[in-house]
Amino acid sequence: EAQVTQNPRYLITVTGKKLTVTCSQNMNHEYMSWYRQDPGLGLRQIYYSMNVEVTDKGDVPEGYKVSRKEKRNFPLILESPSPNQTSLYFCASSLELAGELFFGEGSRLTVL
Amino acid sequence: AQSVTQLDSHVSVSEGTPVLLRCNYSSSYSPSLFWYVQHPNKGLQLLLKYTSAATLVKGINGFEAEFKKSETSFHLTKPSAHMSDAAEYFCVVSDPMNTGFQKLVFGTGTRLLVSP
Repeated sequence: EAQVTQNPRYLITVTGKKLTVTCSQNMNHEYMSWYRQDPGLGLRQIYYSMNVEVTDKGDVPEGYKVSRKEKRNFPLILESPSPNQTSLYFCASSLELAGELFFGEGSRLTVL
Repeated sequence: AQSVTQLDSHVSVSEGTPVLLRCNYSSSYSPSLFWYVQHPNKGLQLLLKYTSAATLVKGINGFEAEFKKSETSFHLTKPSAHMSDAAEYFCVVSDPMNTGFQKLVFGTGTRLLVSP
């Protein structure tokens, strides 16, 4: 089954404690991206990747890092989480530019 | 730069009545436009996509949208609402001239409530 898998789905952590949200897709897509969803703001892009070792900032990259060492994986790293990073995070992949995005089921992160 | 405005944050309908979710966009060029649906505790799923072919686009689950360039609109409609349509809907615009990866801009969403 074609899917994008994120882990963890739910996480409560404390300020400053490094965490990683993993994302994996099994569709051999070149394009992957991370979004955060906040009430009243829709989805905002954090980082994206056009291929292995090719990543770039989206609209709200501050406080986040990513890496793309393998085509299927695109982890999101919060080196020192802060409460304003409390949000619902989505990973997505697509086969082509401006093509259909396939989303993971989301990771709800709470930073205390 | 492109932008998208969803005119209603909430829309309430009764089961069996028509659905209209409104979306206006702003783009310097001919955009690609999408509607995505998000059911509770789920990721987003593509409903339909417009890419400069037919202006009336049919999607899944009986939804369709019409691209109206003169009105810069891409409203989503369904003739008869079903309880399972209750979800949040996002209108998305993609500017094909932007050189960044999938410079998609998401609307703020419209929550559709369906009552029996």
